[in-house]
Order: sequence, then structure tokens, then C-alpha cells
Amino acid sequence: EIVLTQSPGTLSLSPGERATLSCRASQSVSGTDLAWYQQKPGQAPRLLIHRASSRAIGIPARFSGSESGSDFTLTISRLEPEDFAVYYCQHYGASPPLYTFGQGTKVEIK
Amino acid sequence: QVQLQESGPGLVKPSGTLSLTCAVSGGSITNGNWWSWIRQAPGKGLEWIGEIYRTGATNYNPSLKSRVTMLVDTSKNQFSLNLNSVTAADTAVYYCVRNGAHCLDFWGPGTLVTVSS
Repeated sequence: EIVLTQSPGTLSLSPGERATLSCRASQSVSGTDLAWYQQKPGQAPRLLIHRASSRAIGIPARFSGSESGSDFTLTISRLEPEDFAVYYCQHYGASPPLYTFGQGTKVEIK
Repeated sequence: QVQLQESGPGLVKPSGTLSLTCAVSGGSITNGNWWSWIRQAPGKGLEWIGEIYRTGATNYNPSLKSRVTMLVDTSKNQFSLNLNSVTAADTAVYYCVRNGAHCLDFWGPGTLVTVSS
């Protein structure tokens, strides 16, 4: 089973700053199987990025995803007040089918 | 746009069975997607429980497989989750979700289920 490790656990930033969130897989994975979600308190997660770098419908361009080997990065170019939330990465394994999540990174207002 | 809505008891007794239903609107449950259940214990991360297809085919998380049953009712455009032999560790917000391409693209708002006597 793939284990996803997200870092840092908490990121303290100010509006307008750049946020860089990391997700490392325990073994080599394909970017087509990696997604990112945003979750605000009391709400369901929302899909931001799929296939490592494709924005979901309606997601602002300030959100971007990238990959380098088994390291995946979610970047928020300039933080808006509504971006302070918890972010999860997710991997899909096909054999057998299994969705696994990282433990989350909280982006909080500094 | 597809919308999902969970429903079911918010309180289940220990050793009992947790039963939830997900109603799908704005799209057909038979349109080719798989449909999942995800849960999140209070203050914790996300755990995939399993998925079901329109045919009734299922895949479950190995960690829960022995206790989980999922069913689909295409006539009502809904699917369901049963989790038996529950303990306090099963207390969580339960989400029903539409599977996209190796991701989870539409989520219900979630329903809190508490296991307590």
C-alpha cells in the first residue's frame, strides 16, 4: 500500500504570500493517480487538482500542481483569505482499487 | 451538476450496524461512474471505505472489508453503505462521493454518525 506523507503539517502565511505544499509517496507512483483536495471547517473536501497538475472545473488559476518523481507539490501563488484551509493529497491504486490520503497540511493565517 | 446527499441515523449503538443512503441528483447513477463512501473521524484525516458500480460490483478497503456491504438501487438513483459490528472508532463524518478519473470529484455534505450507547 502506498503511504503519502505531507509536509509541513502546518503552514503559517499571510494573504498574498505563496504557499508550497508537499506530498511524498512511499514508492514510485504515476502522476495520473495523484489528486489534491481543499477542506474548510465543517465542509466536505473539494477537488482542486487531478492527474497531479490538472485543475478541476472552476478552480482558480492561482492553484497549480506539479510532480518530480514521487514528490508532488501543490502551489498557491498568492493566498486569498478563502484559501486558508486543510489540503489533502490522494493516490489511486488500481490493483486492487484503493484510494489513500495524506494526513493533510493546514494553511493558517499568520 | 451532480449533487449527493447522505441520510441515515446519526446515532448507532456499539456492536450495531451503521446504515446510510446516498441520493444522487442532477445525473444518473448509471452513467458510468463508480461511487464511493469516505469517512473522517473527528479531527482526523480521510479514509476511503469502498466503491460501488451500477452493476453492483464493489471494491472495499481491506481494513474494513469484513464489516462493509454496499448496495446500489438504480431505480431510486441511490446507493447505500452498511457497516456492522461498530465501535466508538467508527464515529465519523461519512461522505458519499462520485468517482472521477482516479480522483473523487463530487462530494455530499457529509453526515455525522456517532457510535454510543
